[in-house]
Amino acid sequence: GENVEQHPSTLSVQEGDSAVIKCTYSDSASNYFPWYKQELGKGPQLIIDIRSNVGEKKDQRIAVTLNKTAKHFSLHITETQPEDSAVYFCAAPSWSSASKIIFGSGTRLSIRP
Amino acid sequence: ETGVTQSPTHLIKTRGQQVTLRCSSQSGHNTVSWYQQALGQGPQFIFQYYREEENGRGNFPPRFSGLQFPNYSSELNVNALELDDSALYLCASSLVSGGTGELFFGEGSRLTVL
Repeated sequence: GENVEQHPSTLSVQEGDSAVIKCTYSDSASNYFPWYKQELGKGPQLIIDIRSNVGEKKDQRIAVTLNKTAKHFSLHITETQPEDSAVYFCAAPSWSSASKIIFGSGTRLSIRP
Repeated sequence: ETGVTQSPTHLIKTRGQQVTLRCSSQSGHNTVSWYQQALGQGPQFIFQYYREEENGRGNFPPRFSGLQFPNYSSELNVNALELDDSALYLCASSLVSGGTGELFFGEGSRLTVL
């Protein structure tokens, strides 16, 4: 079946340290991998995405890496700040429906002062 | 540029009732997707509408139905409500149909079924 697995479910890091969240997907044909951040009481917001023709993408303190052979991708946040505290979701397109995005179960990231 | 707006923000219903949730898409977006997010979980795809036609559906029963209007706003209707329908319902608009473009989410409608 189609699935996106995300680990860890919770993550606590010291302010200034790095945080890494990992996801695996089941459909080898998937070609688009977004990451969304959801703050309390709000809808998810795209923070970075990567397409299958590249292995890494960076945007300031945020980076995403993709390993198509192993079917996993990771979010890296460096120099974490209090405003990075939120729930993060990875996602991938579904093989069963072109319009369907499958989200991981989420990682609650807490930044300790 | 106006973002995605949803109404109502909160509502309480009883089992067996029907509910209609509304969504205004971001200006210029012709595609709307609906997601159900249970507490502590990731959003689950319900369906997508593109230019007033359903353009894909997730694993939800037929009592979940939708509409998209000529101005690209959308409604989600749920009939015969069950306790498990309690969740945050998220609407997302996008510039492109399909599943490979950025989704712009509203803040959601939180439904409680008693």
